Amino acid sequence: NAGVTQTPKFRVLKTGQSMTLLCAQDMNHEYMYWYRQDPGMGLRLIHYSVGEGTTAKGEVPDGYNVSRLKKQNFLLGLESAAPSQTSVYFCASSLHQDSLNEQFFGPGTRLTVL
Amino acid sequence: KQEVTQIPAALSVPEGENLVLNCSFTDSAIYNLQWFRQDPGKGLTSLLLIQSSQREQTSGRLNASLDKSSGRSTLYIAASQPGDSATYLCAVRRNTDKLIFGTGTRLQVFP
Repeated sequence: NAGVTQTPKFRVLKTGQSMTLLCAQDMNHEYMYWYRQDPGMGLRLIHYSVGEGTTAKGEVPDGYNVSRLKKQNFLLGLESAAPSQTSVYFCASSLHQDSLNEQFFGPGTRLTVL
Repeated sequence: KQEVTQIPAALSVPEGENLVLNCSFTDSAIYNLQWFRQDPGKGLTSLLLIQSSQREQTSGRLNASLDKSSGRSTLYIAASQPGDSATYLCAVRRNTDKLIFGTGTRLQVFP
């Protein structure tokens, strides 16, 4: 199993450009998450999904959109990138909501917005 | 609002020392607490998960404890090695599926 994979690994955008980050998991997990990690602030939840076709807002959803058309994929979109969105983005997945709900993380995408 | 704090922010120790990393949280109504390791430029690797009904979990040289009533967890690393150098993150799960992360402890173990 590849686990959780993310593409691309690195990206540089100009302000106003758009892009989509792809997360894929091969563990048949129901739940998927997008986080951003910034220095001194820990990981913060952007959006998450509890199953195919569903999405929900996390702690910092503004400026991002997501889609979960297939169970194994969770896409994070930036419609008009801003310098404040420079960050490292992590995707995670978990089997389902129970007392464990251990989350497994991808390797991250480092995004710079100029 | 749940807040998670990790102290110290950075720690440098010689190889072989036993050490303790601390994690505190403000709301004791949690489902579980998870400790992660993050290597530079890499993703997060889950180390230990403690359910709210448990007091501790062990994996090899790692032992994590949980005291819900006081809002504290500790990660004990025995006989530290240079390969243990990484950032250690704790995260608590509230009564939803979301994790709230601390800002981490950056550990360096030197030979």
